[in-house]
Amino acid sequence: SAVISQKPSRDICQRGTSLTIQCQVDSQVTMMFWYRQQPGQSLTLIATANQGSEATYESGFVIDKFPISRPNLTFSTLTVSNMSPEDSSIYLCSVLAGGPNEQFFGPGTRLTVL
Amino acid sequence: RKEVEQDPGPFNVPEGATVAFNCTYSNSASQSFFWYRQDCRKEPKLLMSVYSSGNEDGRFTAQLNRASQYISLLIRDSKLSDSATYLCVVRGTDYKLSFGAGTTVTVRA
Repeated sequence: SAVISQKPSRDICQRGTSLTIQCQVDSQVTMMFWYRQQPGQSLTLIATANQGSEATYESGFVIDKFPISRPNLTFSTLTVSNMSPEDSSIYLCSVLAGGPNEQFFGPGTRLTVL
Repeated sequence: RKEVEQDPGPFNVPEGATVAFNCTYSNSASQSFFWYRQDCRKEPKLLMSVYSSGNEDGRFTAQLNRASQYISLLIRDSKLSDSATYLCVVRGTDYKLSFGAGTTVTVRA
């Protein structure tokens, strides 16, 4: 299994500001993902964080709004830029570890934008 | 059309009861299937993978029908601790997961 930590666990931010969320894994993993879970809804994939290259974004998500870094195989950051209240959500880091079917999730970052 | 659709419930059942629910998926090329459990204000955790032949894990039984593109989960002898949201999850060929909106189960004493 993989143990994933995220910082911060929660934050309340003013509109127009940016927040960077960190994801740390206790082992090297090939594939890391960032998901969003809006209130009362299920998870939506934002992007795949690629080590050493630009992230791969899903439809509806762009790099300018959600820049992602992946400097090594155990760490990634997601920035939510120029925030608006619609960005209020839980942001979750996820990794594939231990086998092709073993996908684990971090505890999430609960973001509220005022 | 959503990639994965689930009955949102809620299913309110007494302890010891059996509860079952389904989900359907739209992409016939989907390769892997899972049930995840999500407790309130927590991250999703893998409950079980779903195999074509059907599989059991203790009180939980999962079935996959590829022809009809649906997946089911059955919980026998429900416990209070089974109260959660159950997420139907499908993976294509690219390791990306598609999530259903979840089925809420509440087990009452």
